Parts: sequence; structure tokens; C-alpha cells
Amino acid sequence: QSALTQPRSVSGSPGQSVTISCTGTSSDVGAYNYLSWYQQHPGKAPKVVIYEVSKRPSGVPDRFSGSKSDNTASLTISGLQAEDEADYYCCSYAGSPYVFGTGTQVTVL
Amino acid sequence: QAQLVQSGAEVKTPGASVKVSCTASGYTFTSYYMHWVRQAPGQGLEWMGIINPNGGATTYAQKFQGRVTMTSDTSTGRLYMELSSLRSDDTAVYYCARAGRYGGKFDYWGQGTLVTVSS
Repeated sequence: QSALTQPRSVSGSPGQSVTISCTGTSSDVGAYNYLSWYQQHPGKAPKVVIYEVSKRPSGVPDRFSGSKSDNTASLTISGLQAEDEADYYCCSYAGSPYVFGTGTQVTVL
Repeated sequence: QAQLVQSGAEVKTPGASVKVSCTASGYTFTSYYMHWVRQAPGQGLEWMGIINPNGGATTYAQKFQGRVTMTSDTSTGRLYMELSSLRSDDTAVYYCARAGRYGGKFDYWGQGTLVTVSS
């Protein structure tokens, strides 16, 4: 099972929107709606920000949103804030194994 | 409030085995699956496998088949991940992460355990 493909980095100014893509195949991202996104700050454990493609856990700001089309999922952060600077990973259920994305570093300029 | 507390850092020599523990509290132990995920220094997250503490059924990533064993102890609320035949590229932070169901989100994570493999 190959890792899902994400851009290495994206950046934006405070208040702007950024979108991170996560591309897989018809066996993982395209096959299931069990697609989640994790935020990881340096030296910390990951934290879920989106699950089942577009659902937000309680406590996660509504500036985080998710979507999916065919084999590509996307995470959008609207109204970018300094604390959003972190690494982001997508993760898809793939029938039995799970597979993570390659990770994207978000920089707030 | 659920909590996952992992065992401390380990230093192992190549060829040895390591056993990392994850102590769960604050929820019904047998009602949630537990995943193990690792992260090599400066690298991304890598899924290793899943265990259902209710019965002990496991599924491992193909990459780790034959080298990893995940177990659970309902009497203590502890889960274990043992990795054998360690190599230098097994140096990583190992996390346990809870999920409510198969396919579900990893909603609580342990603090991570650094395993260093070095001669």
C-alpha cells in the first residue's frame, strides 16, 4: 500500500485560505468515506481535525473543512491563523490496512 | 476523559526486540480499537496495525507482518506492541491511537515512545 500523495508544503498569510490535496487510488480514497485529517505540531502527537471526509470533531474551529472528489480529498483552512502552522496528514481506510498521506507543512507567513 | 499513557524511551541494538506499552483509562477498554502508528525522525506517519481489545483480533500492515505482535490485557487496561529483529531504520516515535470503530477516526493518541536502534 503506497502512501497517499500530498504537496510537501503550502503557505498563506493570516486571514487567507489554504487548501491541501490528498491523492490516492480507487482502492483507498476513492473507495471509502473513511478519510480523516490530522494536525501535528512539532514534538506533539497528531490531533484529528476532520473525519469521514468532512466532519469536524467538537472543539475544532469551523475554519477547517474537508471534501472529496473521486480519488482526491482536500482540507481547506479558511481565515488562516498563526496557530494553524503545523504539519497535516490525511489518512484513509483501505479495506483492511490504513494508509497515511506523505504530509504537508503549512506555513503562516 | 480518555487517556493513553505510553511507556518510556528505549534504546536497543540491531537484532533485538522492543515492547512498548500503552495504558488506557477513562473509557470502556473493550469498546474501542487501538492502532499503532510510527514516525521516523523528520518523516511522516506510518500505520503499523490495529488490535481489537475485545477478543484480541489483529490486522498488521504487510510491511511489518512476521515482525510485529500486538496484544492487549483487559485486566490491566494495557496494550502492547512488540517489534522484533530491529534495524536502524526502525528508529522512530511509536504512538498508540484509539478508534471507535473500524474505519473510524483516531480520536485519542498516546504521547509517543521513542525507540532508538543503534549499535
